[in-house]
Amino acid sequence: KQEVTQIPAALSVPEGENLVLNCSFTDSAIYNLQWFRQDPGKGLTSLLLIQSSQREQTSGRLNASLDKSSGRSTLYIAASQPGDSATYLCAVRSFFSSGSARQLTFGSGTQLTVLP
Amino acid sequence: NAGVTQTPKFQVLKTGQSMTLQCAQDMNHNSMYWYRQDPGMGLRLIYYSASEGTTDKGEVPNGYNVSRLNKREFSLRLESAAPSQTSVYFCASTPSSYNEQFFGPGTRLTVL
Repeated sequence: KQEVTQIPAALSVPEGENLVLNCSFTDSAIYNLQWFRQDPGKGLTSLLLIQSSQREQTSGRLNASLDKSSGRSTLYIAASQPGDSATYLCAVRSFFSSGSARQLTFGSGTQLTVLP
Repeated sequence: NAGVTQTPKFQVLKTGQSMTLQCAQDMNHNSMYWYRQDPGMGLRLIYYSASEGTTDKGEVPNGYNVSRLNKREFSLRLESAAPSQTSVYFCASTPSSYNEQFFGPGTRLTVL
């Protein structure tokens, strides 16, 4: 069974710092990995989707990397801003034994606070 | 486009009551999902529908039923609510099972 872990559970940094959020997964037979942002009391906003054949994906100040063999992904946020404060979740789409890839397994998230 | 919409936003039930959570998407997506989010547990898949006319169980289906009414709508029903079903429920959709998922704003359910 796929398990996804995000450490640390919470992180606080001063504005302007570059930071890295970590995600690890136990089963490397994945189809893709998706990073989300969740603001308090809100739904999930998709940030980046990285396919298993890709090493990284970039969107603005965000860069996600994927090392499938080691079961790790990182989300790099450059020049952090107070508006980046939110919970960041990673989710892995794994293959079922039937060969279909339908289920996302989520980590518990990293709660990021960027201090002005 | 409204994206993925969910109703209601909040609901309080008594143990044993029933209710249906509604979800609709206007992106012409084929696949739809229901998740629950609990503190310390992350999001867990309840049921999903890979395409109109099909539904399958996810990780935590007990106590729930679903209906894929048409391509746009996917409802989640609690027949006899229990306090353990107190949670935030999210609906999501995707063009196909392999693409990026888009989430609704959630329904916050409390069962007393």
